[in-house]
Amino acid sequence: AQSVTQLGSHVSVSEGALVLLRCNYSSSVPPYLFWYVQYPNQGLQLLLKYTTGATLVKGINGFEAEFKKSETSFHLTKPSAHMSDAAEYFCAVSYTNAGKSTFGDGTTLTVKP
Amino acid sequence: KAGVTQTPRYLIKTRGQQVTLSCSPISGHRSVSWYQQTPGQGLQFLFEYFSETQRNKGNFPGRFSGRQFSNSRSEMNVSTLELGDSALYLCASRLKGEDTQYFGPGTRLTVL
Repeated sequence: AQSVTQLGSHVSVSEGALVLLRCNYSSSVPPYLFWYVQYPNQGLQLLLKYTTGATLVKGINGFEAEFKKSETSFHLTKPSAHMSDAAEYFCAVSYTNAGKSTFGDGTTLTVKP
Repeated sequence: KAGVTQTPRYLIKTRGQQVTLSCSPISGHRSVSWYQQTPGQGLQFLFEYFSETQRNKGNFPGRFSGRQFSNSRSEMNVSTLELGDSALYLCASRLKGEDTQYFGPGTRLTVL
């Protein structure tokens, strides 16, 4: 069964610092990979996705992620954190049935002024 | 284009009751998936419907059911509610053949 591990349930950074949220997946075949952001009492908003092609994926709000097959990782980064980035972030994986995704446990990002 | 809408946004029920949640997908999207989000279990897949047919089902008891109508709107029903059913229920829609799901704001169900 596919699984997703997000290392660190809470990450705290200072405003302007690098954001790094880690995601590893278990799979024997290349998956579709997604990062979502969730603000309190809201649904999930897609930040970026990897399906095929370029392994460095750029998303919205300055976020990007790199698919590393050898490490089965898809870490999310942002060069400079903003206060508005404080939220919960979810990594997800799906395969041939893109309507069924498996999510990580989420990482809560806190941005300190 | 309007996003995914879910109604109601908040719901309070008591144990033993049943509840029906509604999801209207983005226009043209024929696939609708449902997820349950709880602090303890995280985000878990419930089921997916495409063209009124259930395509996939997660590991939930039979008390959880769903359906999809010809206009792609979907409902999920939970019968004999338990305290543990308290959760945010999220619906997502996508275009046939596309890999991106678009999520609605969710329905917050509280079971007392």
